[in-house]
Amino acid sequence: GENVEQHPSTLSVQEGDSAVIKCTYSDSASNYFPWYKQELGKRPQLIIDIRSNVGEKKDQRIAVTLNKTAKHFSLHITETQPEDSAVYFCAASISNAGGTSYGKLTFGQGTILTVHP
Amino acid sequence: IAGITQAPTSQILAAGRRMTLRCTQDMRHNAMYWYRQDLGLGLRLIHYSNTAGTTGKGEVPDGYSVSRANTDDFPLTLASAVPSQTSVYFCASSDSWGANVLTFGAGSRLTVL
Repeated sequence: GENVEQHPSTLSVQEGDSAVIKCTYSDSASNYFPWYKQELGKRPQLIIDIRSNVGEKKDQRIAVTLNKTAKHFSLHITETQPEDSAVYFCAASISNAGGTSYGKLTFGQGTILTVHP
Repeated sequence: IAGITQAPTSQILAAGRRMTLRCTQDMRHNAMYWYRQDLGLGLRLIHYSNTAGTTGKGEVPDGYSVSRANTDDFPLTLASAVPSQTSVYFCASSDSWGANVLTFGAGSRLTVL
């Protein structure tokens, strides 16, 4: 089955700096890659996702890049703010031919991001 | 407010006891899932259901069972709890024909002594 490795496990940055979290996956058939943010004691929430037909996607201060050849994808957060402090999870899954995913995600181990004011 | 409701929020349980975690969604999503979250291991899929009447095994199904009698409810049962099942359990759902974004419940923290 799919295996997703996520690094680093912890990341500490100063407010305004950029943060990068990297993930690798093992199954070349995976074609859907979401990122979830989980604040302390809260539920995971989707912040951005990317499908294998694109190499990069941006949404304001966050961006995700995908390298299918190398089987890795990364989350980039620019101009970090204290409210970005949370645990971030990458995930991978295989969508069916219709382009939908049944949510059978394989998650990475998580990265604890701390943004210091 | 539309979303997923899980119960109980937390529970302490003696080993060997039976426990059912409840999950109800009101978004008419076709697909539902149960994940467990353990420190350093991320979230791991236990069981899933693509539509009412069908279920499937995830990555860590042993010791757990599920049922999907209707669209809204997806209970998770531990027939005989063991300490290794101490975890936070998240129910989730997605509209499998739409954007495929997982919506998670607030979680159920289970401690097995």
